[in-house]
Amino acid sequence: DSGVTQTPKHLITATGQRVTLRCSPRSGDLSVYWYQQSLDQGLQFLIQYYNGEERAKGNILERFSAQQFPDLHSELNLSSLELGDSALYFCASSVARGGETQYFGPGTRLLVL
Amino acid sequence: GIQVEQSPPDLILQEGANSTLRCNFSDSVNNLQWFHQNPWGQLINLFYIPSGTKQNGRLSATTVATERYSLLYISSSQTTDSGVYFCAVIDGYGQNFVFGPGTRLSVLP
Repeated sequence: DSGVTQTPKHLITATGQRVTLRCSPRSGDLSVYWYQQSLDQGLQFLIQYYNGEERAKGNILERFSAQQFPDLHSELNLSSLELGDSALYFCASSVARGGETQYFGPGTRLLVL
Repeated sequence: GIQVEQSPPDLILQEGANSTLRCNFSDSVNNLQWFHQNPWGQLINLFYIPSGTKQNGRLSATTVATERYSLLYISSSQTTDSGVYFCAVIDGYGQNFVFGPGTRLSVLP
């Protein structure tokens, strides 16, 4: 158990809908990272937050947004969902902001029908 | 952006064998990590190793930053080592994590 929690574990929805994925980092970790893993694209970095502020942005679509709250949990919002958004979404956390040792949550498996 | 390659793409071993996985990257890095994704999908950090050598039990890793590669050694492999091994880097200029395509390891009993 990494200490990072993600909810929900599974999510099935329809095209055009909007979903919110939630992540709680390990106690004491200030950075949260979001990743997408799909069969065709592999593992892709989406976005990083450090202590409530956006720190780095990767291959995140404009339809996706994220935020980190004062209690350090983070939410990833996916809107206008398309079939291609079906993937495993991971959250990870680390102590500082430099991307050092990251601990991953179990992931949320999203299926868009 | 930085490119990350991993070899071999697939590896099948008998239990007890040793193996070496390689990660090549196209530019200087200030962060390199190795991860194991088990057959149930869980990602586990193995090493944070932007340079030098580290060991943890049967696993060790070496990064030669000047030559832009990292190696992950698995000794006396066990069936529980099966899964996909990823290396990931942040280049020296940015903050974007880039993952390699992974090496899929199957350890047979």
